[in-house]
Amino acid sequence: AQKVTQAQTEISVVEKEDVTLDCVYETRDTTYYLFWYKQPPSGELVFLIRRNSFDEQNEISGRYSWNFQKSTSSFNFTITASQVVDSAVYFCALSEAGDNFNKFYFGSGTKLNVKP
Amino acid sequence: DVKVTQSSRYLVKRTGEKVFLECVQDMDHENMFWYRQDPGLGLRLIYFSYDVKMKEKGDIPEGYSVSREKKERFSLILESASTNQTSMYLCASRAQWGQGYNEQFFGPGTRLTVL
Repeated sequence: AQKVTQAQTEISVVEKEDVTLDCVYETRDTTYYLFWYKQPPSGELVFLIRRNSFDEQNEISGRYSWNFQKSTSSFNFTITASQVVDSAVYFCALSEAGDNFNKFYFGSGTKLNVKP
Repeated sequence: DVKVTQSSRYLVKRTGEKVFLECVQDMDHENMFWYRQDPGLGLRLIYFSYDVKMKEKGDIPEGYSVSREKKERFSLILESASTNQTSMYLCASRAQWGQGYNEQFFGPGTRLTVL
């Protein structure tokens, strides 16, 4: 079974629209970490945010916000007033504690197209 | 400012050649990783290293080997390149467990084409 599911393969929006990228994860560990990465066309994965399992506070950084809900095992990412520069593939990832610490589980990615 | 660098952005090699992909990080991280990324297959872990001279196989180690002689440098070796190894290769590094943050930092990637 997939540890991290990003059901949206591709999303297209028009500039200034808000968009939410979904991420659902699966783990039995009580200690784990969730991440979002952005991969622009250049190819480099850029780290955006980290959340640990003990911190369910939502976070806002400029136009970006993240909603972490343990009850639904979700860690969704919202871009407000999207811009063309937000066009990229976005990956959600999970890391567990203990022996599996060095195993990163990546979702399959959501490609976001922001049209002018 | 954290930095992971890879020796080449683009590389073209011939079938059967020995290929070295180099990765260097300046964050004093213990853990380093090599992934390959292919359309429709996502990111797949080839090998990782948790210390100098230590390595562990990832999900797809066949056809690859690695070398970590110094903490900051992690090399991926294709002993005899084949066309099915044409891919995007991404290197990453990560701090040790308990050091306060756990994300992987990625290099810019190397697009390898094997003809």
